[in-house]
Amino acid sequence: DAGVIQSPRHEVTEMGQEVTLRCKPISGHNSLFWYRQTMMRGLELLIYFNNNVPIDDSGMPEDRFSAKMPNASFSTLKIQPSEPRDSAVYFCASSLTNRGLTYEQYFGPGTRLTVT
Amino acid sequence: QKEVEQNSGPLSVPEGAIASLNCTYSDRGSQSFFWYRQYSGKSPELIMFIYSNGDKEDGRFTAQLNKASQYVSLLIRDSQPSDSATYLCAVNKAGRRALTFGSGTRLQVQP
Repeated sequence: DAGVIQSPRHEVTEMGQEVTLRCKPISGHNSLFWYRQTMMRGLELLIYFNNNVPIDDSGMPEDRFSAKMPNASFSTLKIQPSEPRDSAVYFCASSLTNRGLTYEQYFGPGTRLTVT
Repeated sequence: QKEVEQNSGPLSVPEGAIASLNCTYSDRGSQSFFWYRQYSGKSPELIMFIYSNGDKEDGRFTAQLNKASQYVSLLIRDSQPSDSATYLCAVNKAGRRALTFGSGTRLQVQP
């Protein structure tokens, strides 16, 4: 099993530019989560999807952030325009959810984003 | 009050000792509890999960859950230097599929 795949692993961009992060969940998993990790705020949930449908986006910082899941094997997190305070490690995780129960989540390697 | 609280550490233990990591949570309706290990610069890696009160053992690791006290812990027996990492406690609140994470406890195992 390849695990959760994320790309790119590192991204350096200038303020104002658009950034797109990509995630491929584990095959067979039906829930996908985007997290952001910083030293100050720790690991925080941005949004999660169940069966490709966004369920909870209350953690999305503002309208500059958007996420999509067009099919069961692919999701994107887009930041437009990016700002220096968006610099963080962004993790994607997936899990199997059945009958309202969520099982363990598995994390991808993360994308380290630096906005200058 | 944070939803999931952990002592940030560092917790320093000698090699071969038992490391005890603790976590408290505020939502009494929380249903499942997870321990993740995160090495510096790496992603969180699931170690154990527990749903029921009591102890759950897996190799050198034991998770303990006390829902009445809203307390979950992780014991690491025969600690090794390779166990040095940050340990994240995560809670699955009732009706919510996403996990809420604590800020993590940094463990240092001294050779």
